[in-house]
Amino acid sequence: GQNIDQPTEMTATEGAIVQINCTYQTSGFNGLFWYQQHAGEAPTFLSYNVLDGLEEKGRFSSFLSRSKGYSYLLLKELQMKDSASYLCGRQGNLIFGKGTKLSVKP
Amino acid sequence: DGGITQSPKYLFRKEGQNVTLSCEQNLNHDAMYWYRQDPGQGLRLIYYSQIVNDFQKGDIAEGYSVSREKKESFPLTVTSAQKNPTAFYLCASSMSDSGNTIYFGEGSWLTVV
Repeated sequence: GQNIDQPTEMTATEGAIVQINCTYQTSGFNGLFWYQQHAGEAPTFLSYNVLDGLEEKGRFSSFLSRSKGYSYLLLKELQMKDSASYLCGRQGNLIFGKGTKLSVKP
Repeated sequence: DGGITQSPKYLFRKEGQNVTLSCEQNLNHDAMYWYRQDPGQGLRLIYYSQIVNDFQKGDIAEGYSVSREKKESFPLTVTSAQKNPTAFYLCASSMSDSGNTIYFGEGSWLTVV
């Protein structure tokens, strides 16, 4: 497969900001997705970046740097319900990273 | 309502049996995908199809087979050659394989007994 790397686990406090990073191989790149997945459920779409820069959507923002093969998902004003896995996926043949399990603590 | 439907939600398989997971979409999407997810792990691509009557292997195709006889259907067969099939299986679709949101089904839990 084509490597997509993201941290395995992260912990943050309710109300805080957290940034989840993702790096990927740049060859054949067509765009990058972020999905949220609660345990035992299907992933739900958060964002899609194809051009460099920051895409903001409410409490969630996603950034892309194509030259660096780098993206991040920024979650603001964290809520307990944000505890989930966050999947970074590369467009082209839809390869996903292993996901980052985020735990939000009171 | 439009969407992706996977069935069954839960399936038990005896060792040595083949089982088929159904995936149907009424979104008129060209591309369809099958992923496997083990507990606490990410999604691993099994097979994908960009057009009817054509499909490609993903990273973990061994022990699985698919068909794409109709645009709306992409069934996955877990064969007896798959030695560790217990997992959560997710089907997905998109308008094409570039630049469009991917929609996921609700998933199917397969357990070997």
